[in-house]
Amino acid sequence: DTGVSQNPRHKITKRGQNVTFRCDPISEHNRLYWYRQTLGQGPEFLTYFQNEAQLEKSRLLSDRFSAERPKGSFSTLEIQRTEQGDSAMYLCASSLQEYGYTFGSGTRLTVV
Amino acid sequence: GENVEQHPSTLSVQEGDSAVIKCTYSDSASNYFPWYKQELGKRPQLIIDIRSNVGEKKDQRIAVTLNKTAKHFSLHITETQPEDSAVYFCAARNQAGTALIFGKGTTLSVSS
Repeated sequence: DTGVSQNPRHKITKRGQNVTFRCDPISEHNRLYWYRQTLGQGPEFLTYFQNEAQLEKSRLLSDRFSAERPKGSFSTLEIQRTEQGDSAMYLCASSLQEYGYTFGSGTRLTVV
Repeated sequence: GENVEQHPSTLSVQEGDSAVIKCTYSDSASNYFPWYKQELGKRPQLIIDIRSNVGEKKDQRIAVTLNKTAKHFSLHITETQPEDSAVYFCAARNQAGTALIFGKGTTLSVSS
């Protein structure tokens, strides 16, 4: 197991387009988190899954954002009608219990 | 909501010196406090964490102290080396016990 995997690593899209990112957590981890990180800031929490259930969503997660974890394994984060303000690094993390969150390398989104 | 303040934002030390980074948190219900190291263009990596039932934890050159009464915790790095240069983030787990709330980071530069 090589850790948390995220694809793609980079995504450039035009404003108004939809984008989808994928996260593959560490295989035995049942908890999965999405964060957003902008330059010079710490990661900001977006949403949390335990198995396939989405249990918490940040107020940062506007209605243009949707996340799924259909079988309790990989997760996808979709952004509809992208805006320039959505440009950021999108990080996924997973954990087996409530400790020891492991982050992936992220997907860098640039909206032009 | 939960807020985490981190100081200083930048820290420059000579190789071999000690470095201390301090964080304060707002939610007295927080019970888990990890520290992450992030090198340029890479994922945040967990370097040490502490739970609220412990006042201090040490791992080789790195130590973390927690003062629950004052709601602050600190990272101590001794005998710094150039490879310690990175951005360090503190975090506190939110009231729901799910998301980590991060500070804004400290850029540590160790010069030889």
